Amino acid sequence: GAVVSQHPSRVICKSGTSVKIECRSLDFQATTMFWYRQFPKQSLMLMATSNEGSKATYEQGVEKDKFLINHASLTLSTLTVTSAHPEDSSFYICSAPSGTSIGAYNEQFFGPGTRLTVL
Amino acid sequence: RKEVEQDPGPFNVPEGATVAFNCTYSNSASQSFFWYRQDCRKEPKLLMSVYSSGNEDGRFTAQLNRASQYISLLIRDSKLSDSATYLCVVMGNTDKLIFGTGTRLQVFP
Repeated sequence: GAVVSQHPSRVICKSGTSVKIECRSLDFQATTMFWYRQFPKQSLMLMATSNEGSKATYEQGVEKDKFLINHASLTLSTLTVTSAHPEDSSFYICSAPSGTSIGAYNEQFFGPGTRLTVL
Repeated sequence: RKEVEQDPGPFNVPEGATVAFNCTYSNSASQSFFWYRQDCRKEPKLLMSVYSSGNEDGRFTAQLNRASQYISLLIRDSKLSDSATYLCVVMGNTDKLIFGTGTRLQVFP
């Protein structure tokens, strides 16, 4: 099946630094990718929709200047957490629709996630 | 009110037991419904889609009641490997997925 990779899988950084997370679709092209964040014992929350060749669409309450998204190619989207603070520590997961339909649903595949810890 | 609500559990059941999870959603315009499974510190993986007619995949049965905006998942003959968090997921007319907080299942020997 379709595979989505993320890099790095884990990152620990100091407060105030910026962290870049990459999401790649390995065997399919994705014009759209989604970025989620999951805090402990909470649900995955959609942060933004990454669109190849155009600006990302951010969900309400997500600061676009803090979470920079770039979708430079059909197989790569990056999320940069700028000036990270301890409250940004979370599990960040991307997903991409595979183009394979299940009924009316365009099946999505998730990356393995990136665990960010900001000290 | 959350868009997708689930009982967080945990549900602790012995091997071989039957266990049922419920989920309610608030947006009546939602079009697609799913159960995902998430293991600790891993990404979610699609378990099954949910249809109004109900659908079954081996030991797993999912049901959707659109009138009540209610989704269920039944697991029969629980295995130790079924221990995980089960996420109820709803989608509107875009590809955006709305996740519930998940119901944690622990199957013990």
